[in-house]
Amino acid sequence: QSALTQPASVSGSPGQSITISCTGTSNDVGSYNLVSWYQQHPGKVPKLMIYEVNKRPSGASNRFSGSKSGNTASLTISGLQAEDEADYYCCSYVGNRDFIIFGGGTKLTVL
Amino acid sequence: VQLVESGGGLVQPGGSLRLSCAASGFTLGSYDMHWVRQGTGKGLEWVSAIGETGTTYYADSVKGRFTISREIAKNSFYLQMNSLRAEDTAVYFCSREGYAESFDYWGQGTLVTVSS
Repeated sequence: QSALTQPASVSGSPGQSITISCTGTSNDVGSYNLVSWYQQHPGKVPKLMIYEVNKRPSGASNRFSGSKSGNTASLTISGLQAEDEADYYCCSYVGNRDFIIFGGGTKLTVL
Repeated sequence: VQLVESGGGLVQPGGSLRLSCAASGFTLGSYDMHWVRQGTGKGLEWVSAIGETGTTYYADSVKGRFTISREIAKNSFYLQMNSLRAEDTAVYFCSREGYAESFDYWGQGTLVTVSS
């Protein structure tokens, strides 16, 4: 099972919106609404930002939103702030055999 | 809720290591629990899980070499790693599965280095 495909890097200016894509297959992203997104600052522990495609856990900013179309999930961050600069990982349930798969990660730079 | 890993360290190729994850603030037996690893400068990689019922799951890369287990009385779970390879070098995080197969709590991680 190959990793989900994410762009290596994205960038945006403060106040702008950016979107990070996460492309899988009909066996993972396309089959289950069980996509989650994690933010990881350098040297820190990953933090859950979105679960079940578009739900935000308590503690996650409402500037973060998620969506899915076919085999591709997306994370949108609106009103970019300097503190959003981090690595972002998508994750999908794959079924009982392989269980969970992550994307390769996207480095977000706030210009 | 807190998760604390221990047991990481330096081991030679072919060697073994046992990681522990002590949970507090919730009952371990009521949740699926996972191990996720991250090589230096690399992305996250799911390693293994143990379900509420005790069913176990493994990534292909560790199947047959790693064993996940738990002790509900100690509110802890473990990862026994055998036949270690250089490519197993990583920070290993333990994590709790929350809603919809997502990871809502993570430990701080423990570093495993496989090198001669």
